[in-house]
Amino acid sequence: EAGVTQFPSHSVIEKGQTVTLRCDPISGHDNLYWYRRVMGKEIKFLLHFVKESKQDESGMPNNRFLAERTGGTYSTLKVQPAELEDSGVYFCASSPLGGTTDTQYFGPGTRLTVL
Amino acid sequence: AQSVAQPEDQVNVAEGNPLTVKCTYSVSGNPYLFWYVQYPNRGLQFLLKYITGDNLVKGSYGFEAEFNKSQTSFHLKKPSALVSDSALYFCAVRALGNNNDMRFGAGTRLTVKP
Repeated sequence: EAGVTQFPSHSVIEKGQTVTLRCDPISGHDNLYWYRRVMGKEIKFLLHFVKESKQDESGMPNNRFLAERTGGTYSTLKVQPAELEDSGVYFCASSPLGGTTDTQYFGPGTRLTVL
Repeated sequence: AQSVAQPEDQVNVAEGNPLTVKCTYSVSGNPYLFWYVQYPNRGLQFLLKYITGDNLVKGSYGFEAEFNKSQTSFHLKKPSALVSDSALYFCAVRALGNNNDMRFGAGTRLTVKP
């Protein structure tokens, strides 16, 4: 069974540019989460999809971030325009539709560097 | 809201010695606690979780963690460390709620020296 995959693995862009990150969850997992880790800090929740619906986007930093999950399969996270403080590692995780106790399975992350 | 604290940024142990990586949590209601490990250039890998039942939870690679409700702790342990255990370890907590998101600690870098 393939795990959670993320693309690209690394992205280096200049301030003001746009970047789109992609996450492919484990097949059949209806829950999809985005997290971010800024250098040396904790991993912070960004948002949660259940299928194609945003269940909770309380962790999104501001309106420069837009997440979508059309069709309830893969998800994209767009940052437009990117700022220096957006640099970090963006993780995606997925889990089956069930209770709170289900384990979330993480992808390898996308390391974003904004210059 | 739930939160997690990992008081040590760095833990160094010699190979063969026991290791402990500390974690304390704060949550309303019953905590669901997790440990994840991140090896260099890899994603987060699930190690173990506590949901209910026995306070001592056994996980992958010989790791275990002890849930202590009175001290609100969930320390990760291993009786005999290996050099290959060197990695970044994250503790996380979830609570029953509408969003099911997890709160992570800042991570502890474990270095096991030969």
